[in-house]
Amino acid sequence: SQTIHQWPATLVQPVGSPLSLECTVEGTSNPNLYWYRQAAGRGLQLLFYSVGIGQISSEVPQNLSASRPQDRQFILSSKKLLLSDSGFYLCAWSIALNTEAFFGQGTRLTVV
Amino acid sequence: GIQVEQSPPDLILQEGANSTLRCNFSDSVNNLQWFHQNPWGQLINLFYIPSGTKQNGRLSATTVATERYSLLYISSSQTTDSGVYFCAVLTTDSWGKFQFGAGTQVVVTP
Repeated sequence: SQTIHQWPATLVQPVGSPLSLECTVEGTSNPNLYWYRQAAGRGLQLLFYSVGIGQISSEVPQNLSASRPQDRQFILSSKKLLLSDSGFYLCAWSIALNTEAFFGQGTRLTVV
Repeated sequence: GIQVEQSPPDLILQEGANSTLRCNFSDSVNNLQWFHQNPWGQLINLFYIPSGTKQNGRLSATTVATERYSLLYISSSQTTDSGVYFCAVLTTDSWGKFQFGAGTQVVVTP
């Protein structure tokens, strides 16, 4: 069966420091991969999505970037964190467009 | 883009009560999912239901695609049902990118 792993679960980082969040999927090949952010409150905002290795689409301009170095690995990065980057980051995967999506456990990032 | 509206925004239930959550969307959809976000933040898949009716234990869902709404029913609610319930949709031209509603915060009291 397919599983998705996301780490770390929580992270406290100073302003101006770099960031690297990792997400991996097991048990499937060539998944669609997504990074979402949930700020204080409820809304989930799509940040990046990828349909294949090296193929990244950005949904909103921001201080973050994403990379997909391997088929089932999706990384969210920043060179210099801002206070406004704080939030709950969720990785998700689906086997194809318009199919059921599954989410990781999330990373709670606090920038101080 | 498609608009997704969930109602009510907040719901307080006594244990054992039944409730209905609603999701309205502004355009035709290819995919609709209901999620439960638990107190630890994890999004749990409840239903993948672009149309029709499904049931899973005390939960059931109905999507009427032609009328652009979906309903999530919670029966005999338990305290573990507390959390935020999200509806998320995909349209033909959304390329797999979900549009989430703002969620319904459910609190079940003993």
